[in-house]
Amino acid sequence: QQQVKQSPQSLIVQKGGISIINCAYENTAFDYFPWYQQFPGKGPALLIAIRPDVSEKKEGRFTISFNKSAKQFSLHIMDSQPGDSATYFCAPKGSNQGGKLIFGQGTELSVKP
Amino acid sequence: EAGVVQSPRYKIIEKKQPVAFWCNPISGHNTLYWYLQNLGQGPELLIRYENEEAVDDSQLPKDRFSAERLKGVDSTLKIQPAELGDSAVYLCASSLDHGEQYFGPGTRLTVT
Repeated sequence: QQQVKQSPQSLIVQKGGISIINCAYENTAFDYFPWYQQFPGKGPALLIAIRPDVSEKKEGRFTISFNKSAKQFSLHIMDSQPGDSATYFCAPKGSNQGGKLIFGQGTELSVKP
Repeated sequence: EAGVVQSPRYKIIEKKQPVAFWCNPISGHNTLYWYLQNLGQGPELLIRYENEEAVDDSQLPKDRFSAERLKGVDSTLKIQPAELGDSAVYLCASSLDHGEQYFGPGTRLTVT
């Protein structure tokens, strides 16, 4: 678990604002960088993911920015909505590790109306 | 299409008692994972199956935990005897080979 450090631990954002969550990793063998979203009482669900051959990927209001040299990637949620309130996990993995996701500690996001 | 099914959803037992969790993966998914999620933490892999073979069980505490995936479909995770520190959510996930993992809702275990 120490291979992946996520920040901040919690985040409060006003509706319509931008939420930014960061993830730093150590293992240079990682080659898949996803973000998972988890609601209370539910399992994590894949939100968006990026491969290291691109620096940014956007899907709707969600964007991943990837910095290979800094070994960091971040999740940006534009126009944050109360329905985005959840816990977010980064969970990189390496193709030589049999699909094993290494989860960060999680960021609890609360979007206020 | 049905997602990953887990049962029970909640379980309360006394310490030293045995407990078992069941998982039915998405149809056609050959890879199955059991994760442990402590309160306020990210999930940690306990064991990974490819078909009926456990290919990564390095994080499974084998003195009290066991798992099986007979016929390469459903899987059962067992704890015997349970300890207070085992209180957590046990998540099952499945994937096609090493592709996207789909998680079940988990079983919340409370050991008293």
